[in-house]
Amino acid sequence: SAVISQKPSRDICQRGTSLTIQCQVDSQVTMMFWYRQQPGQSLTLIATANQGSEATYESGFVIDKFPISRPNLTFSTLTVSNMSPEDSSIYLCSVAGSGDQPQHFGDGTRLSIL
Amino acid sequence: GENVEQHPSTLSVQEGDSAVIKCTYSDSASNYFPWYKQELGKGPQLIIDIRSNVGEKKDQRIAVTLNKTAKHFSLHITETQPEDSAVYFCAAILNSGYSTLTFGKGTMLLVSP
Repeated sequence: SAVISQKPSRDICQRGTSLTIQCQVDSQVTMMFWYRQQPGQSLTLIATANQGSEATYESGFVIDKFPISRPNLTFSTLTVSNMSPEDSSIYLCSVAGSGDQPQHFGDGTRLSIL
Repeated sequence: GENVEQHPSTLSVQEGDSAVIKCTYSDSASNYFPWYKQELGKGPQLIIDIRSNVGEKKDQRIAVTLNKTAKHFSLHITETQPEDSAVYFCAAILNSGYSTLTFGKGTMLLVSP
């Protein structure tokens, strides 16, 4: 399966600031996704990162808060904007070779907001 | 939309025992059911999956069974080892052509030596 690298692996940020998380894959993939995992909870899909077009957001998530870029088939970024303590979570990137292939996850970015 | 229920939320077993985690799903159109293992500080790792045209799949000590009529699927781990201790998530895909996974709430498995 693809090797997925996320940066940073963790960060502590001040409220009101923004952080951009990077997801790099070692091979071209069709599908890239961003998830949030709040402490001790399951995974919730934020959005699907579409190459060359705007991301597709799930209910409860908006572009102004979580802008996403996907410039090519191996890279995507998620920005968490105007952060508050409620944004403290693990943010995970996942990829799939196609819509019918299994998703594989990176190790996530552990974000704490003070 | 799809809803996935997972039980139990925690499971403690002795090394060598078997462990079973059960999930139910709501949408009969779901056709792909992966299981992920998440260790502390890591992302979820795919350990086994099953498609709706198969009733059972095995990979060494782990197996997954699917009952489409009852809309439930289960993860079976035999001869558990301490390194099996982790959080396990089941998931279901509503439409295999667009991989929007719906996850269960997770099961924390603790295997005691």
